[in-house]
Amino acid sequence: EIVLTQSPGTLSLSPGERATLSCRASQTVSGTYLGWYQQKPGQAPRLLIYGASSRATGIPDRFSGSGSGTDFTLTISRLEPEDFAVYYCQHYDNSRWTFGQGTKVDIK
Amino acid sequence: EVQLLESGGGLVQPGGSLRLSCAASGFNFHSFAISWVRQAPGKGLEWVSTVSGSATNTFYADSVKGRFTISRDNSKKMVYLQMNSLRAEDTAVYYCTKDHPYYYGLGAIFDFWGQGILVTVSS
Repeated sequence: EIVLTQSPGTLSLSPGERATLSCRASQTVSGTYLGWYQQKPGQAPRLLIYGASSRATGIPDRFSGSGSGTDFTLTISRLEPEDFAVYYCQHYDNSRWTFGQGTKVDIK
Repeated sequence: EVQLLESGGGLVQPGGSLRLSCAASGFNFHSFAISWVRQAPGKGLEWVSTVSGSATNTFYADSVKGRFTISRDNSKKMVYLQMNSLRAEDTAVYYCTKDHPYYYGLGAIFDFWGQGILVTVSS
């Protein structure tokens, strides 16, 4: 069973700063099936990135995804006020779906 | 516009049953896998179950296997989650999700989510 570990648990930054979020898999996985979601309080998650690096429809280009093998990264180039939220990575493999535990990005 | 609308949640006693429904619109329903993902209060996301577009294939998390049953009616554009033998640890907001078209109905990544429905299991 693949386990996804996200770090850090909480990231405290100011608007305009760069955010770098990590998602590490317990074994080598295919980036084709790696996605990132954003969730704000009281709202459903929203897909940001699929295929490790492809932005979903309507997602601003300040969001980018990268990585391969066991290490994947979500980068927010310049934080906007609406970007403070919880972010989850997710992977699919052989009819199993796994989420990371989440990284909270809050205002410093 | 894609819409997913969950219903059927509420308060149920341990050992009881509940059926969640998801009404879909705005996309070619039978071409896409639909999944249920849940979130316990204050916790992260947990995948629960997936049904393929044709309803031929169903998949379950180990935590619900044997207790939950997913099904769909393509003529009505509806997906259902029958939940039996409910436990306190099943308390969560349940989201209905649609898979991203890039994955050709595999259900791999979820591109649209309903607003969620709360299920509370308590005596």
